[in-house]
Amino acid sequence: KTQVEQSPQSLVVRQGENCVLQCNYSVTPDNHLRWFKQDTGKGLVSLTVLVHENDKTSNGRYSATLDKDAKHSTLHITATLLDDTATYICVVGDRGSALGRLHFGAGTQLIVIP
Amino acid sequence: EAAVTQSPRNKVTVTGGNVTLSCRQTNSHNYMYWYRQDTGHGLRLIHYSYGAGNLQIGDVPDGYKATRTTQEDFFLLLELASPSQTSLYFCASTNANTEVFFGKGTRLTVV
Repeated sequence: KTQVEQSPQSLVVRQGENCVLQCNYSVTPDNHLRWFKQDTGKGLVSLTVLVHENDKTSNGRYSATLDKDAKHSTLHITATLLDDTATYICVVGDRGSALGRLHFGAGTQLIVIP
Repeated sequence: EAAVTQSPRNKVTVTGGNVTLSCRQTNSHNYMYWYRQDTGHGLRLIHYSYGAGNLQIGDVPDGYKATRTTQEDFFLLLELASPSQTSLYFCASTNANTEVFFGKGTRLTVV
């Protein structure tokens, strides 16, 4: 059973618009949650990590929230650029040690058009 | 600068062939992982290790062996490659907290 669900599966926005990506999970314990950006066929680049209940982070045009009670996270991208076209992957770590696992969502494919 | 280096970046082999994928990290991380990524799936864990000489089985280990020779080096071995192992493979390293780095991936095609 998939423990990390992302929505929407894909999204098309016009350059300059804002967008919101969702991540719902059932991983327990939920030690931390991280958002990655993956360009097609490339590696994963970390955007932000959330650790605590009701954490909010900001990294330039990317901002994220985490609600551990609801097991839900959002990634906001403001004023999208063409280079934001990529797959965004939500990953939940079930504890902070080596024996913990990283649980991956299947990703949201974002396409930014002119 | 933190880094995870995978080699080769691309590989084509025949069914039944023998393939070794290499991963080296310079992050002083104890923990290293091998994942595969296929369309429609999140990354799936094949094998992982928390130190030289240690090996743990992941979620999709069938057809794969792995070996951790040093803290820096983690190898994934396909001794009898099959077309179902055509995939994009990622190596990652982590510390005991939340720090994690991924390699750029190895695209393996088994024909």
